Amino acid sequence: DIVMTQSPLSLPVTPGEPASISCRSSQSLLHSNGYNYLDWYLRKPGQSPHLLIYLGSRRASGVPDRFSGSGSGTDFTLKISRVEAEDVGIYYCMQGLQTPITFGQGTRLEIK
Amino acid sequence: VQLVESGGGVVRPGGSLRLSCAASEFQFDDYAMHWVRQVPGKGLEWVSLISGDGDKTYYSDSVKGRFTISRDNRKNSLYLQMNSLRSEDTAFYYCAKDIDSGSYSFESWGQGTLVTVSS
Repeated sequence: DIVMTQSPLSLPVTPGEPASISCRSSQSLLHSNGYNYLDWYLRKPGQSPHLLIYLGSRRASGVPDRFSGSGSGTDFTLKISRVEAEDVGIYYCMQGLQTPITFGQGTRLEIK
Repeated sequence: VQLVESGGGVVRPGGSLRLSCAASEFQFDDYAMHWVRQVPGKGLEWVSLISGDGDKTYYSDSVKGRFTISRDNRKNSLYLQMNSLRSEDTAFYYCAKDIDSGSYSFESWGQGTLVTVSS
């Protein structure tokens, strides 16, 4: 199974400041088609999770452009250019390359 | 896209439960579907996947042999038959629509249904 490891696990951020979450996979997520099969999800308090980024860097429909994904192979980053209060919640990376599909442990973003 | 789960509840260890997910506002049989669960206060765990035509199914090791995923494309519905339930199966269960990008990605999620396994 592919193991996904996130850091940090807790991220206090001042509104308006940038934030960054790292995700590392135990195997390369780079497919032969050139895409990285890595997603980012956010679970806001009291809500179901929703997709932010897929294929490593593609924003899902309706996701603000302050969210961006980067990286390749085994190292990936989710960046929020300017954190807003509505961004609080738990962020998960996930590999969609093979079953079993696996998630990182989650990073809790909170507002200072 | 609308996904509405039902069928959760309280069940004793060793018991069975069948979850349903009613899908609407998209061409259901064009997309693979997944079940994902989350133990309250814990992380996300993928449970199972079924292809759009229902021919291919995949399971996590933790549920293989106990859970069965199925779909009825005429009814736009997804199911999860859960047998031999254990306390560690207690979780919110979400159905999720695949994005069909080539990789597995969960484009849309239902609101979840809570399964509690307890004596």
